Amino acid sequence: KNEVEQSPQNLTAQEGEFITINCSYSVGISALHWLQQHPGGGIVSLFMLSSGKKKHGRLIATINIQEKHSSLHITASHPRDSAVYICAVRSGAQKLVFGQGTRLTINP
Amino acid sequence: GAGVSQSPRYKVAKRGQDVALRCDPISGHVSLFWYQQALGQGPEFLTYFQNEAQLDKSGLPSDRFFAERPEGSVSTLKIQRTQQEDSAVYLCASSLEGAANEKLFFGSGTQLSVL
Repeated sequence: KNEVEQSPQNLTAQEGEFITINCSYSVGISALHWLQQHPGGGIVSLFMLSSGKKKHGRLIATINIQEKHSSLHITASHPRDSAVYICAVRSGAQKLVFGQGTRLTINP
Repeated sequence: GAGVSQSPRYKVAKRGQDVALRCDPISGHVSLFWYQQALGQGPEFLTYFQNEAQLDKSGLPSDRFFAERPEGSVSTLKIQRTQQEDSAVYLCASSLEGAANEKLFFGSGTQLSVL
């Protein structure tokens, strides 16, 4: 079992839908990152969480430390949100452990 | 520079050839990371530098992989005698100090194809 599991692996939705991507991890962590990767490889850091909830525009990230679970929500989704969303955790050492990513496609 | 810069953007190598991939982190960033991302997979850790010191190289898959950051800024990932299984996107990331709660800044990656 991977240390970081994301679900779903693929998600297709219509423009305007509310999107939820889940991340579960099996190790103790010091921080959890949500990243966005567009075709061509560039990765952008969306959020870094160690507790609670963060919001940026239409994006919301939550984390439950006790349940070792985080969610990324997108409200009023738009085709430009189409990308791979990656959850990554840092468990005290410097390296990040990444999930396999969720490929999101938003159709107009 | 304004962001993390990686070069070349694409590299095609014949099996057995040596390659060198360059990462230019954000100026002043102490921590630098290399990751390998196979097609359809999440990135996997290769190695970590704090300034010029390579503090963790546990992710390097074999002794054909070598990374350096001699002056604590630009880093080079070298792969000797490339094999087809080395084909992947190689990502570089940097952060200001390397603390657990710091944001990471990623380059666009180098896509290596070994024929």
